[in-house]
Amino acid sequence: EVQLVESGGGLVRPGESLRLSCEASGLSLSGYSVNWVRRLPGKGLEWVASVSTSSTYIHYADSVQGRFTISRDSAGNSVSLQLDSLRVEDTAVYYCRPRAEWLRDWGQGTTVIVSS
Amino acid sequence: NFMLTQPHSVSESPGGTVIISCTRSSGNIASTYVQWYRQIPGSGPTTLIYEDKERPSGVPDRFSGSIDSSANSASLKISGLKTEDEGDYYCQCYDGSTQVFGGGTRLTVL
Repeated sequence: EVQLVESGGGLVRPGESLRLSCEASGLSLSGYSVNWVRRLPGKGLEWVASVSTSSTYIHYADSVQGRFTISRDSAGNSVSLQLDSLRVEDTAVYYCRPRAEWLRDWGQGTTVIVSS
Repeated sequence: NFMLTQPHSVSESPGGTVIISCTRSSGNIASTYVQWYRQIPGSGPTTLIYEDKERPSGVPDRFSGSIDSSANSASLKISGLKTEDEGDYYCQCYDGSTQVFGGGTRLTVL
């Protein structure tokens, strides 16, 4: 059984930083592109960032470009999302998702709250 | 860039059937696969359909997906509705390496 676990969320003030992590059991993340997706409160799902298997190709949503950084560890078994210069509108539940669309279950996500 | 448009909400009685549409604003709906997800409040999303019509292991065949190129849209059909099917449903497809999500449809089973 594949399990995705996101961690690192928390309550921060505007302008502060957080580092989110994504790990998987039952699946090697190194074999897949990985996306971060967020669920904004009272709104829908929004794609945030993606990293290719070799980290060669990295893409960001316009809303986070220049503030967020996606990366893999050297073994490729975990994926991180560095959140800098956080804004109130970044408040959301963040999910990581390998590009393995046959996977039924997502992780529980990690909650980021940005508030003064 | 393109958008995926879904109805804001749908409702149906238990045992009934509902179809949720997902219309692509530009480009061909058939050019990339469509996925469908459900999210119940307090839980992470679940993939119901991938690659237009495939079901992940464990997803019952009450859920089915299809593509209508003439309408440039995808559809999720849920039959034999149960109260536990209530939640938010999203379509999604890739635009290169980026993901595009529909705005979501709230399903009420009453």
